[in-house]
Amino acid sequence: EDKVVQSPLSLVVHEGDTVTLNCSYEVTNFRSLLWYKQEKKAPTFLFMLTSSGIEKKSGRLSSILDKKELFSILNITATQTGDSAVYLCAVLLSGTYKYIFGTGTRLKVLA
Amino acid sequence: NAGVTQTPKFQVLKTGQSMTLQCAQDMNHEYMSWYRQDPGMGLRLIHYSVGAGITDQGEVPNGYNVSRSTTEDFPLRLLSAAPSQTSVYFCASSNVQGYEQYFGPGTRLTVT
Repeated sequence: EDKVVQSPLSLVVHEGDTVTLNCSYEVTNFRSLLWYKQEKKAPTFLFMLTSSGIEKKSGRLSSILDKKELFSILNITATQTGDSAVYLCAVLLSGTYKYIFGTGTRLKVLA
Repeated sequence: NAGVTQTPKFQVLKTGQSMTLQCAQDMNHEYMSWYRQDPGMGLRLIHYSVGAGITDQGEVPNGYNVSRSTTEDFPLRLLSAAPSQTSVYFCASSNVQGYEQYFGPGTRLTVT
């Protein structure tokens, strides 16, 4: 059974802290891994990762994929209260358009 | 561009009733999908479509039907609502490369 597991389930930090969110996967046919941010509404796209070892970066957020160990991490540096959200990881299966989502990590950043 | 729109925003049904959740996109995306989101479960794929006339099942298709007669619209039908279908439903679309999905605002459905 294809599955995506995120950890931790929830996290509380203070502004300025750095956080690392984890996403591991076990799927039959991997095509790519995606990260989304979900505030009180619809998820919004952050990154797509297809190749191992290549870091994707956007401002204070960065992500990297390890296809050998079957995981990805999402780093957020110098966190701000606006980073408070649920972060979702999804794997797109090769040969189909099926996405398998993890349960998400709920991040709360305190001022 | 309106992006992905969904109607209604909220709906309460009684067990056994049927209804259709509407989804439309104006980005000319070939790929459209429906998810449900339950507490602690993440997003689960119900059905998806890679173009007009083509649909396929996701992880949790039972109790739901879809059709895709146009590129723009992808309605989700609940045939006989059950309390287990209480959830938040999201529609999403992307181009056929499929990676950056754009999500609609969601429909909160309660079945009593």
